[in-house]
Formats: sequence, C-alpha cells, structure tokens
Amino acid sequence: AQSVTQPDIHITVSEGASLELRCNYSYGATPYLFWYVQSPGQGLQLLLKYFSGDTLVQGIKGFEAEFKRSQSSFNLRKPSVHWSDAAEYFCAVSKEYGNKLVFGAGTILRVKS
Amino acid sequence: GAVVSQHPSWVICKSGTSVKIECRSLDFQATTMFWYRQFPKQSLMLMATSNEGSKATYEQGVEKDKFLINHASLTLSTLTVTSAHPEDSSFYICSASVPGLTGELFFGEGSRLTVL
Repeated sequence: AQSVTQPDIHITVSEGASLELRCNYSYGATPYLFWYVQSPGQGLQLLLKYFSGDTLVQGIKGFEAEFKRSQSSFNLRKPSVHWSDAAEYFCAVSKEYGNKLVFGAGTILRVKS
Repeated sequence: GAVVSQHPSWVICKSGTSVKIECRSLDFQATTMFWYRQFPKQSLMLMATSNEGSKATYEQGVEKDKFLINHASLTLSTLTVTSAHPEDSSFYICSASVPGLTGELFFGEGSRLTVL
C-alpha cells in the first residue's frame, strides 16, 4: 500500500527566507506525486504535480518540487516566502491516473515578519 | 480549470438527524468522484470512491450504512450522513478527476458538519 510521510508538523520561517517542506513516499513503482495547499476552512489547491520526465517541476505561486527516486522524496521548495504562504501543505501520492490520493499528515507553515 | 462545488459549505444539525452534502462538477462530467474526511488538525482520509451509475466503493473501516453515497449523474455525487452523532462532526471534501487531463483531481471547497 502507498503511504506518505511528512516529517514536519509545523515549520516557521521568516518572510523572505527560503522554504523546504519534506515529503517521503512509499510505493513500489513510480507514483504520481502532488503538493496541495489548504488555507483554514478551505478546500485544496494544487500547487504542482509530477508524473514523469524532468524531476524538477515548477508550480504556481513560485513553488517547485524535486522528485528523487533514490530517496523516495518529493520535497517542496520556495526561494522566498511571503506572508500569504502561511497555510497547511499536503503531499499526496496516487498510483494510477486520475485515481484516489493518499495524503501525508500535512505541514503547517507559519511565516513571521 | 475544472470546478467542483460543494453544498452546503457548513451545516449544523441535531444528533440523530441525517444530513446530505452535494458535490457537483460544474464544467465537466465526472465519472468518478472521491469523498474525503478531515478531522481538525489532521490529514484527509479517503472514505469512498463514487462511480456514476454504480455502488460506491468504501474504504476499510467506513460504515456504508452510515455514510450513504449516491452518484446518480455525471455531475452530481451526494454524501448522506445518516443518524448523525457528534463524532461525525468533521470537514468533508469531495474531489473529481477530469477525463483526458493527466491525473489531476479537483477538489470542492469542503463542507463542515457540526452535530450537536
């Protein structure tokens, strides 16, 4: 069965600082990988996704993520964080096209000014 | 992008009553929809996969008789929480995949259920 681990429950960064959110997955083959962001009381917004090809993927709002097969990781990065980035971030994995997602526990990002 | 809409956004009900939550795909036909549940400060847990015209597939541990899912058309899936109790209070989110797009699921805004 697939599983996703987000080891950091909370992360606090200063505005303007760089950000990296960690995600490790467990799956036998190459999965479909996603990062979503959720603001309080809201639904999910897709930041970026990886299916194949270039292992560094660009997303919306200046986010990027790198797929590293050897480490089973798909870490999310942003070079300069804005206060509006404060939210909860979920890494997710799917084993099939358009199929159900398995989510990690989420990482809450706090941005201090 | 594809739009998925849920209604109601929030609902408060008395213990023992039933509540229906609707999930609509507004600009595409969704043969498959997924229902997730999110407890406060926790991740999303898949409850069931809803297929148009057939019975839903429930995840292990989810009570079928408690959480009734109907996917009667290509644009509408409903989740009915029957005989709701306070422990059913949660944030329910639906999602749907768009035929032809590469694996992305689109999520509704979520519905917050509070059972008194």
